[in-house]
Amino acid sequence: DVQLLESGGGLVQPGGSLRLSCSASGFMFSSYVMSWVRQSPGKGLEWVSAVGGSGGNIYYADSVKGRFTISRDNSKNTLYLQMNSLRADDTAVYYCAKPGYYNFLDSWGQGTLVTVSS
Amino acid sequence: EIVMTQSPATLSVSPGERATLSCRASQSIKSDLAWYQQKPGQAPRLLMYAASIRATGVSGRFSGSGSGTEFTLTISSLQSEDSAVYYCQQYNKWPPLTFGGGTKVEIK
Repeated sequence: DVQLLESGGGLVQPGGSLRLSCSASGFMFSSYVMSWVRQSPGKGLEWVSAVGGSGGNIYYADSVKGRFTISRDNSKNTLYLQMNSLRADDTAVYYCAKPGYYNFLDSWGQGTLVTVSS
Repeated sequence: EIVMTQSPATLSVSPGERATLSCRASQSIKSDLAWYQQKPGQAPRLLMYAASIRATGVSGRFSGSGSGTEFTLTISSLQSEDSAVYYCQQYNKWPPLTFGGGTKVEIK
C-alpha cells in the first residue's frame, strides 16, 4: 500500500523558516513527480510545488516562488519542502501527494500543520 | 492559469436523493479533470479522474461526466457518509495544478 507521512510542521514566527518532510513507501518513489498541496484553515486546496522523479524539473506556485524550495532524496524515499520568509498567509495544513498515471493526485499524506504567528 | 469554478457552494440533499455538483474550467481542459472528496479532519481522497473514471474502491453511486469546460459529479442516491466537501482539479495545463473552490454536500 502507498503510504505518505509528512512531518516537520509547527509554530513559527513571521519571517522564519521551516522544513517539511514526506516519507514515502509502497511505490517506486523515484518514478513519480511529487507535489505539495496546502489548505488554509477553513479554505480550499492550493497546489504549492512539484518536483520530477529525478529532481530535475521543479515547479512552484507564484505565491511561494522565491521563498520555498522543493527537493527530494530518492535514496531515502523522502520529499522535502524548505519554507523561508514565512508569512501569516502561509498558515495551512501541508499535504504531500503522489500522482496517478497523469497529474491527478491518487495518494495523499495525512498532512502537517504549519502555523505562522507571532 | 486555468481557473476552476464550482457550484453551488453548498448543496443540501435528502438521503436517497440525487446530488449534482458542477465544475467549470476557464478554458478547455479536454477530459483532464479529477474529483476529490474531503471529510472533516481528513486528507482529500481521489474519487474520479479523466472526468468519468472512478478511482479504485469508489462506490458506483458516484459518476462523472463532461469534457471541455463543463463537468458534473453525480451522487445517485445520497448516503450519510457522503457528507463532505468535493473539489474538482484540472491537470491539462500545468503548472499550476488548479482546484475549484469546493462544494459542501450536506444531508438534509
